[in-house]
Amino acid sequence: ETGVTQSPTHLIKTRGQQVTLRCSSQSGHNTVSWYQQALGQGPQFIFQYYREEENGRGNFPPRFSGLQFPNYSSELNVNALELDDSALYLCASSTDRGRVGANVLTFGAGSRLTVL
Amino acid sequence: GESVGLHLPTLSVQEGDNSIINCAYSNSASDYFIWYKQESGKGPQFIIDIRSNMDKRQGQRVTVLLNKTVKHLSLQIAATQPGDSAVYFCAERWTEKLTFGTGTRLTIIP
Repeated sequence: ETGVTQSPTHLIKTRGQQVTLRCSSQSGHNTVSWYQQALGQGPQFIFQYYREEENGRGNFPPRFSGLQFPNYSSELNVNALELDDSALYLCASSTDRGRVGANVLTFGAGSRLTVL
Repeated sequence: GESVGLHLPTLSVQEGDNSIINCAYSNSASDYFIWYKQESGKGPQFIIDIRSNMDKRQGQRVTVLLNKTVKHLSLQIAATQPGDSAVYFCAERWTEKLTFGTGTRLTIIP
């Protein structure tokens, strides 16, 4: 059973650029959530995808967008990057709500984004 | 709004002693409370969870206690080992999202 894999592991961008981060969910999981973790802080919920549709969103502007594909993998896109977007972006997969263990998120190691 | 906070940002414990990490939460509607461990360079790793209708749950060397009256959550780690060194986060689940606290860094003293 493979876990959650994310790519790239590290990347550097400049203000105004766009970035795409990728995530492969754990085998058997059909729900993907994205979190932003600033240095020294706990992860903050960006959004969740279930059945290829956004299924809840945190307090993030529309320039944060995502996709989920039929194989349950996902992308996080951030447009018009700002310095404050520098953070570790975590992808987590889970089963859908109502199933046993649906509250258990399996996290990837994250993609560390630096915006200069 | 929702928030999850931790009482102590750092905790140093002698190897072999028990560790207790505390957490306060604010959303009475949260249905699950979860503890995660995050080691350097890794994503958070699930430790144990507790449903809101329970007040205690035990795992291997860990126990989570939930006090809904004062909205308090704690994680007890028995016989702390060097491998327990990490940042520990509590999180509460409401609808589709988890709200995490800032975290407590647990350091083990040999």
